[in-house]
Amino acid sequence: DAKTTQPPSMDCAEGRAANLPCNHSTISGNEYVYWYRQIHSQGPQYIIHGLKNNETNEMASLIITEDRKSSTLILPHATLRDTAVYYCIVRVWDGTASKLTFGTGTRLQVTL
Amino acid sequence: NAGVMQNPRHLVRRRGQEARLRCSPMKGHSHVYWYRQLPEEGLKFMVYLQKENIIDESGMPKERFSAEFPKEGPSILRIQQVVRGDSAAYFCASSPQGGTQYFGPGTRLLVL
Repeated sequence: DAKTTQPPSMDCAEGRAANLPCNHSTISGNEYVYWYRQIHSQGPQYIIHGLKNNETNEMASLIITEDRKSSTLILPHATLRDTAVYYCIVRVWDGTASKLTFGTGTRLQVTL
Repeated sequence: NAGVMQNPRHLVRRRGQEARLRCSPMKGHSHVYWYRQLPEEGLKFMVYLQKENIIDESGMPKERFSAEFPKEGPSILRIQQVVRGDSAAYFCASSPQGGTQYFGPGTRLLVL
């Protein structure tokens, strides 16, 4: 699976949009971009994933650049409960299952 | 719709004892993954199982660790003769047909 690069930490004011970047310059055509987050020491929580089109769900939006070499996770109105470590993961999906390879992620701190 | 269940949530063992960690996947999910998170580190893949089959055990330590996912009942991660270095959080994830993985709350193992 392709490696990803994320900033180690970011701050965001409550109520503002949190934009978390991820670089995956070696991504292959059959690799999806997944985002998970881990709040304190809880189990990782799935947020969103996409292949090449932008995606939106009730939690967040995922913007993938046209060349697919980078993406941005957007939390439109961050709250204190969004404070967590956010992981950007590139995963092959070719009809068979595969493991998730977690990096060090971005520690997002939402402040008042 | 219940999520991934793991038990026990906390487990204390003395060195040399056995630890058994259980994971019940989400309803309809036939794929189970185990990950380990050592203190202050990221999650590391251990093993991927389908019903009655081990598909990928590339992350499993060669000795003392084993996993199973029987036809009936939960998946079991078994650690024999535990050592202090086994102290960690063990997370189970499940997926349908190898798709998006959803994680359980984890089992915190402490070896005294």
